[in-house]
Amino acid sequence: NAGVTQTPKFRVLKTGQSMTLLCAQDMNHEYMYWYRQDPGMGLRLIHYSVGEGTTAKGEVPDGYNVSRLKKQNFLLGLESAAPSQTSVYFCAGSRQGEVYGYTFGSGTRLTVV
Amino acid sequence: AQSVTQLGSHVSVSEGALVLLRCNYSSSVPPYLFWYVQYPNQGLQLLLKYTTGATLVKGINGFEAEFKKSETSFHLTKPSAHMSDAAEYFCAVGGTGRRALTFGSGTRLQVQP
Repeated sequence: NAGVTQTPKFRVLKTGQSMTLLCAQDMNHEYMYWYRQDPGMGLRLIHYSVGEGTTAKGEVPDGYNVSRLKKQNFLLGLESAAPSQTSVYFCAGSRQGEVYGYTFGSGTRLTVV
Repeated sequence: AQSVTQLGSHVSVSEGALVLLRCNYSSSVPPYLFWYVQYPNQGLQLLLKYTTGATLVKGINGFEAEFKKSETSFHLTKPSAHMSDAAEYFCAVGGTGRRALTFGSGTRLQVQP
């Protein structure tokens, strides 16, 4: 199905381990975003990209890195996972910017023990 | 700076009753406003959006919202709740040069039979 696909859907990490979350889209989105969702806090922006080869920090970037080497993929990395990074992570894309609305992936539930 | 406040983290209505979910925003420029819905274990879906023009906006599933600049509000309503409306609803603001949406903390809607 066309859209925004996130892998994996679930993951359990031990403190200090690293991992990469993949977001892939086939909707020709220029803009892509990574948010984390925590109870009572809504969605908070981690990093975003306004085009291939670009990245920018959001409001909660610490402990995360991102790369957008290809237009269709936006990777979120955790170099040394911490329990505070236990969350649900959502990727979203937008063709021409946030004012046109987002298409969201189905999320990755990450638990760090 | 932009921010969104959703009053009431949980709202419970009876089936057939009016649904009113409240959203107030803060923005230094005319905002673009959005409502998204999230069903359990899914990503967010766009319900409706206001960009310019008519201040009463109609969305999917019978929902509508009215942009009131004087009250800095964008409340979501539906005349008659259905069991299938039970979900979490997020208000978001964008279009202020930040290049990403800022989300509220969400309101979980319960519909009682």
